[in-house]
Amino acid sequence: EAGVTQSPTHLIKTRGQQATLRCSPISGHTSVYWYQQALGLGLQFLLWYDEGEERNRGNFPPRFSGRQFPNYSSELNVNALELEDSALYLCASSPGTRTDTQYFGPGTRLTVL
Amino acid sequence: TQLLEQSPQFLSIQEGENLTVYCNSSSVFSSLQWYRQEPGEGPVLLVTVVTGGEVKKLKRLTFQFGDARKDSSLHITAAQPGDTGLYLCAGQGGKLIFGQGTELSVKP
Repeated sequence: EAGVTQSPTHLIKTRGQQATLRCSPISGHTSVYWYQQALGLGLQFLLWYDEGEERNRGNFPPRFSGRQFPNYSSELNVNALELEDSALYLCASSPGTRTDTQYFGPGTRLTVL
Repeated sequence: TQLLEQSPQFLSIQEGENLTVYCNSSSVFSSLQWYRQEPGEGPVLLVTVVTGGEVKKLKRLTFQFGDARKDSSLHITAAQPGDTGLYLCAGQGGKLIFGQGTELSVKP
């Protein structure tokens, strides 16, 4: 069974641009979570989608947004990129509720120049 | 705000040594998970502990959940270079809260 997949693997943007990151959950999983892992800051929760709806978001500005599609895949959009947005963005999926074990993808490394 | 403090942040040891990583909080968690992350990859779940005082073993790794379900430890016996990686604890209390991680380097 395929795990969580993310694309692209690496993304290089300049300040002010927009970035779009994609995630495909494990088959049968309806919940998708996005995390930011910046150097020295650990994993910071960004967004949680379940059944196409945004269920919760972390302490990030509105320029971080996303959506979940009918096939449960998800997109994370970051507008007006800033240098400090450079990080590894991890997507995780779980079968349903927020208390289920989360399975992580390999991440997208975003570099903002 | 729920926080998880991991210590030490960095650990560099020789092959064959033992080590313990700690994960502490002032909050009670319904469960606690330990993950291992290698460079360029996402975290991989090692274990979930649920009951206060619970001890779980995974080969040379021993995980313990504190009696009050506020803290946990990971003990590795006879560390090997393959154990090198970032170890993360995560507490479940309505949402998953991650610690900062412990970067372990085991030198041959």
